[in-house]
Amino acid sequence: DGGITQSPKYLFRKEGQNVTLSCEQNLNHDAMYWYRQDPGQGLRLIYYSQIVNDFQKGDIAEGYSVSREKKESFPLTVTSAQKNPTAFYLCASSSGSRVASPLHFGNGTRLTVT
Amino acid sequence: DAKTTQPNSMESNEEEPVHLPCNHSTISGTDYIHWYRQLPSQGPEYVIHGLTSNVNNRMASLAIAEDRKSSTLILHRATLRDAAVYYCILRASNDYKLSFGAGTTVTVRA
Repeated sequence: DGGITQSPKYLFRKEGQNVTLSCEQNLNHDAMYWYRQDPGQGLRLIYYSQIVNDFQKGDIAEGYSVSREKKESFPLTVTSAQKNPTAFYLCASSSGSRVASPLHFGNGTRLTVT
Repeated sequence: DAKTTQPNSMESNEEEPVHLPCNHSTISGTDYIHWYRQLPSQGPEYVIHGLTSNVNNRMASLAIAEDRKSSTLILHRATLRDAAVYYCILRASNDYKLSFGAGTTVTVRA
């Protein structure tokens, strides 16, 4: 089955450490996205990538970094510069060729930093 | 960015229809209306989308006002598995930045 795989499901880190969240898709989608969700709130866009080797900042990119070296992979690094990293992180992809194409989401990684 | 307004919460009884409203008064001519839903501790799931005409699929129906300033997601017979947060969002032409507000939390009573 095609889909988006995020790993791990739960991640625990000490403050001051960088951590990388994995996102892999086998849908052959051009576009990929990272969102952050805090309890009881909607999704805020961190970064998005329309095509391999290109990515753009979303609304809350500070303290995060991404890479897009392969079409199927879009890892997110939460750096020590991110002041409140504890959150639920969601990765998504879409077929970039049609603007109405829906987003397909993974089941998220819940990051806890203490 | 065009924005949407949804009620914070709605309740329904099982096997009854649910009508979820969404206001988007600043919608532009090329904005598509998308609906997603999110079950607890999961990623959002695509439900339906439309531009001008009403749309139906196996999950729901989307009714779009003639002036496109509002729309309604219709779940024809609510089940307990339909309890989720429902998001109404606009997707502009050539825009990959999709924003999600707080959505509507739907509770289904058995």
